[in-house]
Amino acid sequence: GAGVSQSPSNKVTEKGKDVELRCDPISGHTALYWYRQSLGQGLEFLIYFQGNSAPDKSGLPSDRFSAERTGGSVSTLTIQRTQQEDSAVYLCASSLGLRGRRFNEQFFGPGTRLTVL
Amino acid sequence: AQSVAQPEDQVNVAEGNPLTVKCTYSVSGNPYLFWYVQYPNRGLQFLLKYITGDNLVKGSYGFEAEFNKSQTSFHLKKPSALVSDSALYFCAVRGGLYNQGGKLIFGQGTELSVKP
Repeated sequence: GAGVSQSPSNKVTEKGKDVELRCDPISGHTALYWYRQSLGQGLEFLIYFQGNSAPDKSGLPSDRFSAERTGGSVSTLTIQRTQQEDSAVYLCASSLGLRGRRFNEQFFGPGTRLTVL
Repeated sequence: AQSVAQPEDQVNVAEGNPLTVKCTYSVSGNPYLFWYVQYPNRGLQFLLKYITGDNLVKGSYGFEAEFNKSQTSFHLKKPSALVSDSALYFCAVRGGLYNQGGKLIFGQGTELSVKP
């Protein structure tokens, strides 16, 4: 079956512009995660969705970052007034979510490489 | 707070030799541990996980990992390395409270290079 897909694969933008990154999770996966991968910071958690709600937003680095999920499926990560330090690969992952006491692994998309000039 | 450490930035192995990629963790409570692999310009691929049960966990592509509670380690192993195993390997632990969805906390990654 189809895996997690992300678009665009690459995005180059100018400092101060807004960008939107899209994630299509695996069908039926109720949990969705955004992570950021950069040379200096490694892999960092940004936000977690269960269905359309986001019970854990603790990783969002500033109020310029926001995300939403609609229909329990597609998610969009928005970065407003981009800065050069926002340059990174943004990874989306989905999982079946928490079922009883069994923890399900997360499946990752290929990422969106964001470059802020 | 939960954390993961991968003490080696790079591991070099000859093809056919056994490989080990090290990982140690720090958690409160029972650890849920994972290994992922990342090939160039690709997302992360799940290799294996330890939730409970046998300390030796078998995963994809012939990899296995040994959970050692007393040493708080979860080293990744493979009996015979292949050149195609060359990639970036990440150890991760489930972070946060149970009802916070299980975000992953990653180590800094270990670059594995397997030479013919």
